[in-house]
Amino acid sequence: GENVEQHPSTLSVQEGDSAVIKCTYSDSASNYFPWYKQELGKRPQLIIDIRSNVGEKKDQRIAVTLNKTAKHFSLHITETQPEDSAVYFCAASSSSGSARQLTFGSGTQLTVLP
Amino acid sequence: EPEVTQTPSHQVTQMGQEVILRCVPISNHLYFYWYRQILGQKVEFLVSFYNNEISEKSEIFDDQFSVERPDGSNFTLKIRSTKLEDSAMYFCASSAGPWTTIYFGEGSWLTVV
Repeated sequence: GENVEQHPSTLSVQEGDSAVIKCTYSDSASNYFPWYKQELGKRPQLIIDIRSNVGEKKDQRIAVTLNKTAKHFSLHITETQPEDSAVYFCAASSSSGSARQLTFGSGTQLTVLP
Repeated sequence: EPEVTQTPSHQVTQMGQEVILRCVPISNHLYFYWYRQILGQKVEFLVSFYNNEISEKSEIFDDQFSVERPDGSNFTLKIRSTKLEDSAMYFCASSAGPWTTIYFGEGSWLTVV
């Protein structure tokens, strides 16, 4: 089955700096890669996703890149703000089966220091 | 914005007891899921459910687990005889279609003592 590795497990950046979180996946059939943000005690919320027919996607300060050959994808947050502090999870899934089955990374605790 | 809601937010139960975790998916969604996260570990897929039957399940989802949609709004996860290792955060999720965005609830924290 799919295995997703995520690094780093913790990341501290100064406000205004950029943050990069990286994930690798094992199953070449995976074609959907979402990123979820989870604030303490709250639900995981989708912040951006990318499909395998696209190499990069951007939404304001957030961007995701995908390298299918190397089987890795990354989340980039620019101009970080204290409210970006949260745990970020990457995930991967394929279109096999009858419904999406997400395989998650282990999460990255991002702290943005004011 | 519509949300997936879960109850209870936290439950403590004795080992061997049955537990039912409840979820109300987003109203126009047709696909329902349960995931769990043991403290300090990854979020893991348990089961997906569509058209009143299980569509996918993981190795974790063994005979002690069951899911049900007892009425038009609720989706439940039952753990028949809880074990200490069932202690985890259980997330319900839903999506409109099989390959659309999955929305998560805030989770039910289960502690088995």
